Amino acid sequence: AQTVTQSQPEMSVQEAETVTLSCTYDTSESDYYLFWYKQPPSRQMILVIRQEAYKQQNATENRFSVNFQKAAKSFSLKISDSQLGDAAMYFCALDDKIIFGKGTRLHILP
Amino acid sequence: DSGVTQTPKHLITATGQRVTLRCSPRSGDLSVYWYQQSLDQGLQFLIQYYNGEERAKGNILERFSAQQFPDLHSELNLSSLELGDSALYFCASSVVPGPALNEQFFGPGTRLTVL
Repeated sequence: AQTVTQSQPEMSVQEAETVTLSCTYDTSESDYYLFWYKQPPSRQMILVIRQEAYKQQNATENRFSVNFQKAAKSFSLKISDSQLGDAAMYFCALDDKIIFGKGTRLHILP
Repeated sequence: DSGVTQTPKHLITATGQRVTLRCSPRSGDLSVYWYQQSLDQGLQFLIQYYNGEERAKGNILERFSAQQFPDLHSELNLSSLELGDSALYFCASSVVPGPALNEQFFGPGTRLTVL
């Protein structure tokens, strides 16, 4: 069965610092997509970044980048130069069977 | 604004009751997905419809049902409600048959409170 695990329920980072959120997953598929979603207090689901499993190059979107380790089934999100607006719940997701992790609540300390 | 609309925004009801949540997809999108997000939990995929037909099923309870109408809007029906059904219910839409999370646009959600 496909699973997505986020082992850090909460994290805090100082403004302007870098933080890494962890995600591991399990799937028997060879081709799939992985995603990070952000859910601010407004509860809107916002796509942050996605990674195609067949691409070896790690995806990057401005201050957000991923470390995708296919063999280890690991997909971490790095946020550089953290900003107050980055405070939110972050969900890792696997789109093979549309499975989301339980989320990591990120606090940004001013 | 994703272009996906959901009504109502908030719904408060009692245990044992039945409610209907409505979702209008983005113009041109044929797929509609329903998700449940319980307090401090990740999203659970419930069900997907594509052009009026059920396409994929997730962790949807037998007390829940959905349908997609010819105008492509969708309704999620929740019956015999229990306290544990209190959650945020999201609808998402996409133009492709799916699952294609990257192609999905999420609505603002309906918050259901069962008392």
